[in-house]
Amino acid sequence: EAQVTQNPRYLITVTGKKLTVTCSQNMNHEYMSWYRQDPGLGLRQIYYSMNVEVTDKGDVPEGYKVSRKEKRNFPLILESPSPNQTSLYFCASRDYQETQYFGPGTRLLVL
Amino acid sequence: AQSVTQPDIHITVSEGASLELRCNYSYGATPYLFWYVQSPGQGLQLLLKYFSGDTLVQGIKGFEAEFKRSQSSFNLRKPSVHWSDAAEYFCAVGNYGQNFVFGPGTRLSVLP
Repeated sequence: EAQVTQNPRYLITVTGKKLTVTCSQNMNHEYMSWYRQDPGLGLRQIYYSMNVEVTDKGDVPEGYKVSRKEKRNFPLILESPSPNQTSLYFCASRDYQETQYFGPGTRLLVL
Repeated sequence: AQSVTQPDIHITVSEGASLELRCNYSYGATPYLFWYVQSPGQGLQLLLKYFSGDTLVQGIKGFEAEFKRSQSSFNLRKPSVHWSDAAEYFCAVGNYGQNFVFGPGTRLSVLP
């Protein structure tokens, strides 16, 4: 089954404790991206990657890092999380028909 | 810079009534336009997309959208709403290799 998986689905952490949210897709898509969703703001793109070792900033990259060492994986790293990064995070991959496939989401709470 | 506006934060319609959700965009080149739906606690599902050609696009679940270049709009319509259509709807604009931008969303409530 074609899918995008994210882990963990729920995470509670404290300010400053590094964390990684994993994302994996099994559709061999070159393009992957991370979004955060906040009430009233819709989804805002954090980072995107057009291929292995190619990443670029989206609209809200501050406080986040990504890496793309393999085509299927695109982890999101918060080196020093802060409470304003409490949000719902979605990973997505995109095919050449421009259809994005979203993961189930990761709900993050930073205390 | 690209941007998407959805003027209506929340819309309530009666079941069986028609629906139109508004979307306006700002984009430097010819845009690819999308509508996504998000049911409560769920991820996003693509309803329809426009790349080029016929400006009236048909999607899943009986939805359609019309691209109007002169108005920079891509409004979503459905002739008869079902209770299961209650969800949040997002308009988005993008192009391969470019940043992908979503609107703030319109929450649809359906009265029985």
